[in-house]
Amino acid sequence: AQRVTQPEKLLSVFKGAPVELKCNYSYSGSPELFWYVQYSRQRLQLLLRHISRESIKGFTADLNKGETSFHLKKPFAQEEDSAMYYCALLPAGGTSYGKLTFGQGTILTVHP
Amino acid sequence: KAGVTQTPRYLIKTRGQQVTLSCSPISGHRSVSWYQQTPGQGLQFLFEYFSETQRNKGNFPGRFSGRQFSNSRSEMNVSTLELGDSALYLCASSLGASGNQPQHFGDGTRLSIL
Repeated sequence: AQRVTQPEKLLSVFKGAPVELKCNYSYSGSPELFWYVQYSRQRLQLLLRHISRESIKGFTADLNKGETSFHLKKPFAQEEDSAMYYCALLPAGGTSYGKLTFGQGTILTVHP
Repeated sequence: KAGVTQTPRYLIKTRGQQVTLSCSPISGHRSVSWYQQTPGQGLQFLFEYFSETQRNKGNFPGRFSGRQFSNSRSEMNVSTLELGDSALYLCASSLGASGNQPQHFGDGTRLSIL
């Protein structure tokens, strides 16, 4: 069975500082990996998908299959980045339809 | 496009009752997934429907069931409610044919069991 671990429940940084939210996974195959974000009083929304290899709101994430990690990074954090961040895994192919496995989430607070 | 719509937003029930939650996906999305979110267990997958068929199911008891209609709208039902069923229930939709497209979430239905 797959598992997603976000080791930090809380992460605080100052505005302009780099930020890295860690995500480790365990899965025997090749997964699809996602980062979802939930801003205060808003719904959960997709931030990044590893297969897209794009940067959204200055965030990037690289899939490291050797270390089974998918850490989320931003070189200069902004106050509006304060939110709950979830890493999620979807098993590739087979009968994995719709079955996202989420980490426990990391609350990021960016101080002015 | 309108987002995923869940109704009602809040529900209060008592133990032993049953409840039905509704989800309208984004127009054109044919896959609907349901999740339970609690402070202790986080977000857990309940089931996924595509073209009125359940394609995947999580590890929840049979009291949790769902269905999907021909217009892709979905309902989930919980029977014989228990205190531990108190949670935020989230619905997500995606284009869905392959099962690995990004999911778009609704605001959820907060269910409280007294």
